[in-house]
This record gives sequence, C-alpha cells and structure tokens, in this order.
Amino acid sequence: QVQLQESGPGLVKPSETLSLTCTLSGGSISSYYWAWIRQSPGRGLEWIGHIYYTGGTDYNPSLKSRVSLSVDTSNNQFSLKLTSVTAADTAVYYCARDPYGDFFDFWGQGILVTVSS
Amino acid sequence: DIQLTQSPSFLSASVGDRVTITCRASQGIINFLAWYRQKPGQAPQLLIKSASTLQSGVPSRFGGSGSGTEFTLTISSLQPEDFATYFCQQVNTYPRTFGQGTKVEIK
Repeated sequence: QVQLQESGPGLVKPSETLSLTCTLSGGSISSYYWAWIRQSPGRGLEWIGHIYYTGGTDYNPSLKSRVSLSVDTSNNQFSLKLTSVTAADTAVYYCARDPYGDFFDFWGQGILVTVSS
Repeated sequence: DIQLTQSPSFLSASVGDRVTITCRASQGIINFLAWYRQKPGQAPQLLIKSASTLQSGVPSRFGGSGSGTEFTLTISSLQPEDFATYFCQQVNTYPRTFGQGTKVEIK
C-alpha cells in the first residue's frame, strides 16, 4: 500500500526558507508525478506544484518565484523549498501522488507549518 | 485561474438522506474535474475523477456527473462517515484549483 509521510520543521521564522520532505513507502517514486498542496483557513486548498520523477516541474504562478521542487529517486523522496516566507504561508502542507499530472490519489497525513518569529 | 464555486457551503442532513453538491467552473473544463472527501483532521480522499469515474475502493453510493461548467456530486444514502467536507478540483488548466468546500453536518 502506497504511503506518504511529510517531514520538516513545524516552525519557520519570517523571511526564512520552508523546507519539507515527503518519503514514499510501498511503491517506487520512479513513476508518476508527485505534488505538494497546502491548506489554510483563509486560502482553502492551494496547489503548490508537482514534479515528474525525471525532474520536470510545474508550479503555481502565485508561488513560482519562491518555490522549488526536487526529487531523490535513490531515497524514494521528493522535497519542497519555499523561500522568503511570511505569516500568509502558515498552513498544513500535504504531499500527494499525482499519477497522471492531474488528480491526487494518495496523500500524506499533512504537516502544520507555522511562520512566526 | 479557473474559479470553482461550490453550493451550498453548508448542508445539514440525516443518515440515509440523498445529498447533492454542485460545483460551477468560471470557464469550461470539459470533464476534467475531481471530487474529494475530507474528514476532520485527515487529508482529502479522492472519490471521483474525470467528473463521473468512481475511484477504486470508493463505495458506490457516491456518484458524479456534469460537463463543461456545471458538475454534481451525489451521495445516494448518507452514512455516518460521510459527515465531512467535500471539495471539487479542476485539472483542465494550470494552476490546478479547488472549490471552497461544502461541509455536510448532522441534522
């Protein structure tokens, strides 16, 4: 059974970089797209972007200048970096499998990231 | 960006009720729409893809229909685990966008 687990700091200071990793078990990352989505009370569900296992990416234009996704096939992981964070980036961050670049069929449990000094 | 508007935003219903949720897109998206259920404290779960295709393992009481700009999620007989929030998502264009959600509460 495919399982995804987000990891990283739960607290990030304003202007710093948010870094999260998603680890896949029960399958290989060397197929499909892999996505990041975030959820906050004020913004709802927001697609951040996705990465193909070969490294190709698509990003939400609203975040494109600050976001970077990468994939590590040897460790079955993919990662998110979001620079210059503000309080508006406080959210639950989910990683998800995005098999054909569209729907998300497996999700991690989510990780709450708070931006605060 | 394509805007998705769900109605209603809140819905009160009883176990066994038939429930219908609507999702309207700001421009045509053919059938590139998915529905998710999110239980409190959990990640969303994919229910329906391509507007009407039931995801593997999802109970048959869930059904989806529609095309173009108007879509519907129907739950034929509400079960206790269905008291949750439902979201639609379009995958016709980038960026992928979601509706604001419909919370189904116990009457």
